[in-house]
Amino acid sequence: DTGVSQDPRHKITKRGQNVTFRCDPISEHNRLYWYRQTLGQGPEFLTYFQNEAQLEKSRLLSDRFSAERPKGSFSTLEIQRTEQGDSAMYLCASSLTSGKETQYFGPGTRLLVL
Amino acid sequence: TQLLEQSPQFLSIQEGENLTVYCNSSSVFSSLQWYRQEPGEGPVLLVTVVTGGEVKKLKRLTFQFGDARKDSSLHITAAQPGDTGLYLCAGRGTYKYIFGTGTRLKVLA
Repeated sequence: DTGVSQDPRHKITKRGQNVTFRCDPISEHNRLYWYRQTLGQGPEFLTYFQNEAQLEKSRLLSDRFSAERPKGSFSTLEIQRTEQGDSAMYLCASSLTSGKETQYFGPGTRLLVL
Repeated sequence: TQLLEQSPQFLSIQEGENLTVYCNSSSVFSSLQWYRQEPGEGPVLLVTVVTGGEVKKLKRLTFQFGDARKDSSLHITAAQPGDTGLYLCAGRGTYKYIFGTGTRLKVLA
């Protein structure tokens, strides 16, 4: 198992464009989380899935943001009509619902909106 | 709203010195994790503590979970330049983790 992977690692886009990020969690993990991190800050929770069900969305997640996990495996995070304020590192983490439920993070996707 | 405050925010020390980073909250967490993050990378898990009063050691790093499970500390003995990075604590609530504000550590050779 190679851990959590994210694609792409970097994305530069122009304001107003749509972008989509992908996260592949650790294979047996049933929970998947998306976070956003701006420079010098800790990650902020965006949304979380248990299997294919999206169980909570943060108030940070405006209507321009949508996340899916169609088969309970990989997940996508789409941002429509990007704004400069969306520039951040988008992190994905996965965990297994048992024991300590430790979260393991992917390397992140760094988004820059020009 | 659950909040986790870390202190100090920034720390620059000489190689060989000891340091302690604190993570405090008014909320109780079922577990707490410490991560280290390098620039441009995702956080890498260092340790998970679960039981109040628990102490875990990872080489020169010692982690303690407060008795009431509201706070935690990370102590580094004889810091080395390789310890440089952003240290994050994250407390687990019902189903999600709340992250602290982070401590940026720089160890000078």
